[in-house]
Amino acid sequence: EAQVTQNPRYLITVTGKKLTVTCSQNMNHEYMSWYRQDPGLGLRQIYYSMNVEVTDKGDVPEGYKVSRKEKRNFPLILESPSPNQTSLYFCASSSQGGTGNTIYFGEGSWLTVV
Amino acid sequence: GENVEQHPSTLSVQEGDSAVIKCTYSDSASNYFPWYKQELGKRPQLIIDIRSNVGEKKDQRIAVTLNKTAKHFSLHITETQPEDSAVYFCAASKGIYNQGGKLIFGQGTELSVKP
Repeated sequence: EAQVTQNPRYLITVTGKKLTVTCSQNMNHEYMSWYRQDPGLGLRQIYYSMNVEVTDKGDVPEGYKVSRKEKRNFPLILESPSPNQTSLYFCASSSQGGTGNTIYFGEGSWLTVV
Repeated sequence: GENVEQHPSTLSVQEGDSAVIKCTYSDSASNYFPWYKQELGKRPQLIIDIRSNVGEKKDQRIAVTLNKTAKHFSLHITETQPEDSAVYFCAASKGIYNQGGKLIFGQGTELSVKP
């Protein structure tokens, strides 16, 4: 079954404690990205990757890091989380980015930073 | 950069009525316009999309129209049912793969269909 898997699904953490949200896809997609969803703001792209070792900033990259060492994995790293990073995060993958191929979203990760 | 505005932010209709959600985009080079439905607590899922070489596309009760001159596109849902209640997102993309081709999403519309 084609899927994008994120972990953890729910996390409460404290300010400054480094955390990683993992993302894995089994569709051999080149393109992966991370979004955050906040009320009234829709889905905003944090980082994206067009292939292994190729990553670039999206619209709201501050406070986040990513890596793409393998095609299937695209972890999101919060080195020093702050309360304004409390949000719902979605990982997504596609065979060709936003060019008309369906983007598959993970189930989402609810992150609360206190 | 590209900006996508979506209206209304909330929409309430009676079961059986039609619902229309509108989006405008800023970059005239955009050529791909998908619509996503997000049910409460779930991930967004693609429900319909349209490319810039087409003016209208239908899939059963759902249709999307595109006006390239005015740079706006709309989602039309006919004969609404309670299960259509969800948040709907429009998006736009210039869609060049080796330049990222990223989607820019609208702010979302919360549709409520009352029985």
